[in-house]
Amino acid sequence: DTEVTQTPKHLVMGMTNKKSLKCEQHMGHRAMYWYKQKAKKPPELMFVYSYEKLSINESVPSRFSPECPNSSLLNLHLHALQPEDSALYLCASSPWERAGGTKNIQYFGAGTRLSVL
Amino acid sequence: GNSVTQMEGPVTLSEEAFLTINCTYTATGYPSLFWYVQYPGEGLQLLLKATKADDKGSNKGFEATYRKETTSFHLEKGSVQVSDSAVYFCALRQSLQGAQKLVFGQGTRLTINP
Repeated sequence: DTEVTQTPKHLVMGMTNKKSLKCEQHMGHRAMYWYKQKAKKPPELMFVYSYEKLSINESVPSRFSPECPNSSLLNLHLHALQPEDSALYLCASSPWERAGGTKNIQYFGAGTRLSVL
Repeated sequence: GNSVTQMEGPVTLSEEAFLTINCTYTATGYPSLFWYVQYPGEGLQLLLKATKADDKGSNKGFEATYRKETTSFHLEKGSVQVSDSAVYFCALRQSLQGAQKLVFGQGTRLTINP
């Protein structure tokens, strides 16, 4: 099973709402990622979790709050978003890589398409 | 810093035509290289990869060879199908203390007409 599952597939929210995106993988991967993808652009890395701890935050605004409750789950909590935050949010995971490792790859979910009104 | 440059799209071809999408990279050392494909309304799927110089990745009739002399990883397919219509991303991988960061090109939108 090489599946990364994201829910919901679509989400519409107002600027005062609080919502959460969920991501799940059962491949035993210990690195998990959130990306944001705007239309006709490549994915942009937002956060990296390594062994359930936040290791990278690419200067993301605090209205996005990630959480990794266990090794299989990754959440992205959303609060007071702006219309420009409308995008496809992608989750990904990869095996933990020893120094010099070359064989592992990142697996992506299908994404949550978010619209902020 | 590391970067990836892809040929600008969109690219439109007729079915059974030959496809080349150019990709060049700038990086320290010899990173692993990838082609990901994104079909409409979906996430990214790994198409093929190469981890060292002169490696050839292949999948579903697509091929790409890691050329360190020209720092290139061009994607090719001999005979495209309508179902190949998608956006293709070239990427390199940076290790991040056990995790990794993918550096993507801008993407090339491919449309195949019957």
